[in-house]
Amino acid sequence: NAGVTQTPKFQVLKTGQSMTLQCAQDMNHNSMYWYRQDPGMGLRLIYYSASEGTTDKGEVPNGYNVSRLNKREFSLRLESAAPSQTSVYFCASSEGVVHADTQYFGPGTRLTVL
Amino acid sequence: QQPVQSPQAVILREGEDAVINCSSSKALYSVHWYRQKHGEAPVFLMILLKGGEQKGHEKISASFNEKKQQSSLYLTASQLSYSGTYFCGWRGAGSYQLTFGKGTKLSVIP
Repeated sequence: NAGVTQTPKFQVLKTGQSMTLQCAQDMNHNSMYWYRQDPGMGLRLIYYSASEGTTDKGEVPNGYNVSRLNKREFSLRLESAAPSQTSVYFCASSEGVVHADTQYFGPGTRLTVL
Repeated sequence: QQPVQSPQAVILREGEDAVINCSSSKALYSVHWYRQKHGEAPVFLMILLKGGEQKGHEKISASFNEKKQQSSLYLTASQLSYSGTYFCGWRGAGSYQLTFGKGTKLSVIP
């Protein structure tokens, strides 16, 4: 089992460019999440998908869109990248049960916007 | 609203014990603890459910003080491999979301 995989690992964009970050999990999990991590700020939730076919905003959704393509895949899109979106992006997944729901993280995508 | 973690950083010698605290004004359903090493993904350590039930690691334990709305993570007989940044994730009742603290950087030296 690969767990949670993310592509690409690194990306450099110019201001105004767009890109999509890909995430896939092979654990048959129902719920998936996108976080960003900035120095000294911890992990902040951008969007999440409680189950296939649903998506909801998290704490910092502005400037992002998501697609839950199927049960395995959850993508994050930056339509017009800004320097403030320079960050490390983590995807996570969980079973989605109410009791003791543990999130498992992917290796991250390091994004720089110039 | 992010939970507040303390201390922000701590340095230990091998074999010493450490306590990391996490508090929030939000009503708790569960607290999740993660460790992250530099350049890597956060790794799950422990979950603490309301009512005090713990699930997790051998030499790491946790508790919850309902009066203080605070969870504490206890690391005993620290090893070099314990070094990293520890995050607590606070989850409210009926919510899928974890709200993470800003982290506590733990350094274990020989």
